[in-house]
Amino acid sequence: SQKIEQNSEALNIQEGKTATLTCNYTNYSPAYLQWYRQDPGRGPVFLLLIRENEKEKRKERLKVTFDTTLKQSLFHITASQPADSATYLCALPFSGGYNKLIFGAGTRLAVHP
Amino acid sequence: GEEVAQTPKHLVRGEGQKAKLYCAPIKGHSYVFWYQQVLKNEFKFLISFQNENVFDETGMPKERFSAKCLPNSPCSLEIQATKLEDSAVYFCASSQGGAGASTEAFFGQGTRLTVV
Repeated sequence: SQKIEQNSEALNIQEGKTATLTCNYTNYSPAYLQWYRQDPGRGPVFLLLIRENEKEKRKERLKVTFDTTLKQSLFHITASQPADSATYLCALPFSGGYNKLIFGAGTRLAVHP
Repeated sequence: GEEVAQTPKHLVRGEGQKAKLYCAPIKGHSYVFWYQQVLKNEFKFLISFQNENVFDETGMPKERFSAKCLPNSPCSLEIQATKLEDSAVYFCASSQGGAGASTEAFFGQGTRLTVV
């Protein structure tokens, strides 16, 4: 069955560095992949969508890559700031009909001053 | 409205009591999704609607959970006879298109249900 894996351990980095988060998936070839940010006590907020025919997508300090051969997406935050501290979730459309999004467990990012 | 509104923010129920959660999707969005978030950020899909029609209910424990999206009313998720394991944050999301249209989902702030 479809499986999404994100590093469950928190990622701690120094302010100004680039944060890189990983999303791996198995048993599936999705047409697109989405990234969301979730702050404590709040709902996820959409950040970026990348399609299977796109290798890379950028938005301000964010960059997402999508390697359909490796079945992996990387999410980068350059020049990270303490305000970037949050949990980042990747999401894929369900393989059985594209009628819902399936979320990974998320990776918590902590950016230290 | 321009945001998904969920009420109440917190709900406490004794085991066996009924719980009812509400969600007003963004105006113009045709799809509504309900998710349950438990420990370690795991999102469990419950049910989705396309307008007032059930689109996918494969995640719903049907013996106790039910949901509706009626015209001109907030959508609702009802849990009959709550159990301790139902304690979670329930998120509602809406989107213009469904997952097949690759549109982004807009989430509400969630309802934290605590069953004691």
